[in-house]
Amino acid sequence: RKEVEQDPGPFNVPEGATVAFNCTYSNSASQSFFWYRQDCRKEPKLLMSVYSSGNEDGRFTAQLNRASQYISLLIRDSKLSDSATYLCVALSGGYNKLIFGAGTRLAVHP
Amino acid sequence: NAGVMQNPRHLVRRRGQEARLRCSPMKGHSHVYWYRQLPEEGLKFMVYLQKENIIDESGMPKERFSAEFPKEGPSILRIQQVVRGDSAAYFCASSPSQDTQYFGPGTRLTVL
Repeated sequence: RKEVEQDPGPFNVPEGATVAFNCTYSNSASQSFFWYRQDCRKEPKLLMSVYSSGNEDGRFTAQLNRASQYISLLIRDSKLSDSATYLCVALSGGYNKLIFGAGTRLAVHP
Repeated sequence: NAGVMQNPRHLVRRRGQEARLRCSPMKGHSHVYWYRQLPEEGLKFMVYLQKENIIDESGMPKERFSAEFPKEGPSILRIQQVVRGDSAAYFCASSPSQDTQYFGPGTRLTVL
């Protein structure tokens, strides 16, 4: 079983739609979680950290449920520029190596 | 402050050759991580280094792969006798401490 699992998608949504991504993790010792964004053939870029209390950054909201070992990302009012692959990431182990999910592809169309 | 730099950006090798990938961390960062991304897959941790020390190499293949981060100069990921399965994007990330990791643009290795 993969340590971080995501639905690969693709999610095809119109501009202005709300879309939600889910992610589960298997290592209960994982300390911190993040969502990264990766554009085609580019490096991953940190989108936001994920906290149990939930956190919001503009149109993006992330949530962590430690009891269920479940992480979510909600994107409201989707823009064409949101089209990318969204990577669910856990910080694991004593040396802070990042454990990446395989990513969920989002395509926003006019 | 320049970001993490990696070179070359693209590298083509024939089977059996050696590949050397270089990573210059951000100024002031002494922690370097290497990750590999196979086509259509997520990034996989390979190795974590500090200056002159390999701290965690649990993600490195047992043979042909090695990494170093010398006192002077960039970190080097070396792949000997490359095979087609080594074709991938190799990303380096640096950190000032065990904290937020900043990624370089990656090196895309193609093995013919």
